[in-house]
Amino acid sequence: GQQLNQSPQSMFIQEGEDVSMNCTSSSIFNTWLWYKQDPGEGPVLLIALYKAGELTSNGRLTAQFGITRKDSFLNISASIPSDVGIYFCAGQLTSGTYKYIFGTGTRLKVLA
Amino acid sequence: DAGVIQSPRHEVTEMGQEVTLRCKPISGHNSLFWYRQTMMRGLELLIYFNNNVPIDDSGMPEDRFSAKMPNASFSTLKIQPSEPRDSAVYFCASSTETQQGLWYEQYFGPGTRLTVT
Repeated sequence: GQQLNQSPQSMFIQEGEDVSMNCTSSSIFNTWLWYKQDPGEGPVLLIALYKAGELTSNGRLTAQFGITRKDSFLNISASIPSDVGIYFCAGQLTSGTYKYIFGTGTRLKVLA
Repeated sequence: DAGVIQSPRHEVTEMGQEVTLRCKPISGHNSLFWYRQTMMRGLELLIYFNNNVPIDDSGMPEDRFSAKMPNASFSTLKIQPSEPRDSAVYFCASSTETQQGLWYEQYFGPGTRLTVT
């Protein structure tokens, strides 16, 4: 199936560091969602973005809808061990439709 | 509020056997999605229901897969006969369509890990 390019694929960071990851595409998206998936669990919705340029925070997480509408970014500040997991972006190609394209995921490991 | 509920959480079966996965969407949501997740292909949409009616089943891999939604609070995904390559994690997600015909966020269940030997 179609997937979004997400980078980095994986990263090891020290506790307390900030983390950045992004999703890029050649297509224009109308909505971006960011999910976190813990081992053995389903993806949990973190942040939803609906407008180009929108910047939204959820605790230590901040996500932005790129101005070109072809990308989105997720930042985690002051990482903690429980931030470990796989982060997925999902983009909605056509406004208001049910179909989301999912990113390939960023696997985050936090070293205490 | 209860989230999306899936059962079983784990299923191990032998090739050729029938497998049935179950899902209860979030109450009030009128859209239900079945996804399959594998390392190689990531998250793939298999089928989408709106108001209990299958709208898009283009992601269903082959005729061995079938899905039903007899009412607003229950859906099944059936594989018959199962094959080792069907081994994956199967997720159900639900969402809601607004009166303006827009869909927003999708909420996922915990998944069913299927192993076919």
